[in-house]
Amino acid sequence: QLQLQESGPGLVKPSETLALTCTVSGGSISSRNYYWGWIRLPPGKGLEWIGNIYYGGSTYYNPSLKSRVTISVDRSKNQFSLKLSSVTAADTAIYYCARQSVYSSSLEAFDIWGQGTVVTVS
Amino acid sequence: DTIMTQSPLSLPVTPGEPASISCRSSQSLLHNNGYNYLDWYLQKPGQSPQLLIYLGSHRASGVPDRFSGSGSGTDFTLKISRVEAEDVGVYYCMQALQLPVTFGPGTKVDI
Repeated sequence: QLQLQESGPGLVKPSETLALTCTVSGGSISSRNYYWGWIRLPPGKGLEWIGNIYYGGSTYYNPSLKSRVTISVDRSKNQFSLKLSSVTAADTAIYYCARQSVYSSSLEAFDIWGQGTVVTVS
Repeated sequence: DTIMTQSPLSLPVTPGEPASISCRSSQSLLHNNGYNYLDWYLQKPGQSPQLLIYLGSHRASGVPDRFSGSGSGTDFTLKISRVEAEDVGVYYCMQALQLPVTFGPGTKVDI
């Protein structure tokens, strides 16, 4: 059964770079039918999509964060990673990694999610 | 961006009774393949979001049949035929047809 697990520092200083990794187990990240994404949940707010990556390296980013976000993939380790630069308190959130299906060449549902990791900017 | 709205934002429910949540998108989510690219998620307290409904009306694996999704274009509904205590949490609709992927604000369901 495919599982995703986020890892990384729980505390980041303002103006520094947040870096998280998602490890995929029980299956391969190199699947044609899926993208791999990051979503966050700020305290007291709703879910916000950060961006996605395909195993081949193509990416989509949320324009609201695009200038600060980099998502990369390491197929040899079955991992993908998130870097968010110049963080502020507004970036404090639970960060989730998730698998997103592709249907008729269009992105569709996030069907498997990691447990999430709390990141505090302070 | 495609704006997603939900109503109500808070929904008290009674076990055994039906419940319904509405989701509206600012742009049509109907793909040229005939499917609506609208999904529903439930985030139970202390848990990650879980997929309930994909492509507008298809139940995800393991989702009880008391959950159903309907609608087309810009107006969608999630229905729970008979609410159970384990159904509490925040329900989100989401679209991925138009980037960026956007979520509704969430509907908090409690007993």
